[in-house]
Amino acid sequence: QSVLTQPPSASGTPGQRVTISCSGSSSNIGSNYVYWYQQLPGTAPKLLIYRNNQRPSGVPDRFSGSKSGTSASLAISGLRSDDEVDYYCAAWDDSLSAVVFGGGTKLTVL
Amino acid sequence: EVQLVESGGGLVKPGGSLRLSCEASGFTFSNAWMTWVRQAPGKGLEWVGHIKRKTNGGTTDDAAPVKGRFTISRDDSKNTLYLQMNSLKTEDTAVYYCTTDVGIEEAGYGYWGQGTLVTVSS
Repeated sequence: QSVLTQPPSASGTPGQRVTISCSGSSSNIGSNYVYWYQQLPGTAPKLLIYRNNQRPSGVPDRFSGSKSGTSASLAISGLRSDDEVDYYCAAWDDSLSAVVFGGGTKLTVL
Repeated sequence: EVQLVESGGGLVKPGGSLRLSCEASGFTFSNAWMTWVRQAPGKGLEWVGHIKRKTNGGTTDDAAPVKGRFTISRDDSKNTLYLQMNSLKTEDTAVYYCTTDVGIEEAGYGYWGQGTLVTVSS
């Protein structure tokens, strides 16, 4: 049972916009930055969004992050077949003194 | 170019020990907080712990499942991060990744190693 809650799966059609939610609490998302990672099968994760809504250089602007209260979202617009991978949210948790990850969301492009 | 290369994984029996290493290059290692993240087969990412840079005290924080069994350390003279794992359990079986924000605070884990597989089995 992950501290941050993500839907196990999400789907969309090519070109569509999809959002992946990440729900937490006041000790993590509510008081700290949220990060999003993308992971292709068999490879190390890749940083997609940092500090809630900032994109590292090289990450397309099709990916965007937002945060409100104790929840955060990753939006992917102009969905492509190669977006069909796993996505994880993460945040520091003040109560646990640890980084907590969501359980991950597998995105399917129909 | 930032590089993180993990080593030391392998097969170990329950109750055994293993030490992982992560050799870093391409950035000022001593300025960076260094982190271990693991991923059990077919499962999600799990934060193991981190070690702060010496200017922040060089202290560690560990996840509850590994507290008291795993120890994170660093040797800034060798640009190397370590994870000493004792009293290993079958549930510690995972790919262990070394990751860092290369010293840019709250910039996220922008750099990762390729991972090293630890299998705990009798």
